Amino acid sequence: GAGVSQSPSNKVTEKGKDVELRCDPISGHTALYWYRQSLGQGLEFLIYFQGNSAPDKSGLPSDRFSAERTGGSVSTLTIQRTQQEDSAVYLCASSPGPNNEQFFGPGTRLTVL
Amino acid sequence: EDQVTQSPEALRLQEGESSSLNCSYTVSGLRGLFWYRQDPGKGPEFLFTLYSAGEEKEKERLKATLTKKESFLHITAPKPEDSATYLCAVQSSGGATNKLIFGTGTLLAVQP
Repeated sequence: GAGVSQSPSNKVTEKGKDVELRCDPISGHTALYWYRQSLGQGLEFLIYFQGNSAPDKSGLPSDRFSAERTGGSVSTLTIQRTQQEDSAVYLCASSPGPNNEQFFGPGTRLTVL
Repeated sequence: EDQVTQSPEALRLQEGESSSLNCSYTVSGLRGLFWYRQDPGKGPEFLFTLYSAGEEKEKERLKATLTKKESFLHITAPKPEDSATYLCAVQSSGGATNKLIFGTGTLLAVQP
């Protein structure tokens, strides 16, 4: 079946602009995660959605970052007033439930000039 | 604080030369330990989940083992196509979230 998809695959933006990154999880997966992977660093947790529960936003680095998940499926990560330090690969993952393995999408490479 | 450390950072092997990658962890209650493979420009690809000390899992040339403090990924007779970054992650039972805490990975290069 289809895996996790993300769009765009690459995004170049200017400092101060807002960006939206999209994630389509595997159909039927109730849990959805966003991570960030910076050069030379491990994956860093950002936010977690599980069903209709309130999201766990504990990993968001600043209030410029927000995410939503509509209809329990597609998720959008929004970064407002982008900064150069936001440059990274943003990865989305989904899993059948909270305690199952997570399946990752290909990521969106964000470059802030 | 929950933490994952992987070693070595990079490993170069000749085709057929077996070796092991290490993942040391400290966590307030282990819910699961996960191994992923990541190729350049792609997202991590799930390999294994281990839940308790003594557990082992195998897939082709890869075998993952788990103790109370570390996990090993053993690669037997590797081939060039095994070249990738191997990531280890833990999921803690001590917090409310189900996030994965990742190490920085081991970059494996297998030369023909």
